[in-house]
Amino acid sequence: GAVVSQHPSWVICKSGTSVKIECRSLDFQATTMFWYRQFPKQSLMLMATSNEGSKATYEQGVEKDKFLINHASLTLSTLTVTSAHPEDSSFYICSASGGSSYEQYFGPGTRLTVT
Amino acid sequence: AQSVAQPEDQVNVAEGNPLTVKCTYSVSGNPYLFWYVQYPNRGLQFLLKYITGDNLVKGSYGFEAEFNKSQTSFHLKKPSALVSDSALYFCAVRDGYNFNKFYFGSGTKLNVKP
Repeated sequence: GAVVSQHPSWVICKSGTSVKIECRSLDFQATTMFWYRQFPKQSLMLMATSNEGSKATYEQGVEKDKFLINHASLTLSTLTVTSAHPEDSSFYICSASGGSSYEQYFGPGTRLTVT
Repeated sequence: AQSVAQPEDQVNVAEGNPLTVKCTYSVSGNPYLFWYVQYPNRGLQFLLKYITGDNLVKGSYGFEAEFNKSQTSFHLKKPSALVSDSALYFCAVRDGYNFNKFYFGSGTKLNVKP
């Protein structure tokens, strides 16, 4: 149990376009979802935390107008990278937490390359 | 301040030998500690956790970790390493007051050589 999926697994887009990444909890209700960014050979950087039906809480230094997060249901959160630039190229990982669980369940990640 | 430290960027061990990946933490309240493994271009996979109870925690794939409150450590161990254990390992601590906050270590690359 506790499976989280991400779509797409990789995406290449042109500079200036927007890209949407989906994160789904497949077999549990995720009251809270998290979005991380990981640079090569580095740890995960928490970008934002979202609770179903409310606005996301962004970490300091993360532009909320650039990284739009929506958590419209208990099984789906989306991250939209708006007006993407090459420096946005990264590995984006979502995770989900539900109920009284102390754990976060991670998706497989999405590799974004902006050309 | 909340933090997790993994002092070793890389650990090299021969197959069949025991392995240890180190982690120390600093957090307010009671620590909830986790180990995750990441294979290339993949998300994190849960290995084990410590919430309360026995200080020695057993997890997936033969891994275990020992919680040491006095040393604020949570080192990951395995009695006999496999080549397939080669991956990136992350220690994480969940804030005891704010359950939404996870703090990750910088990661340790484990290389198991045949």
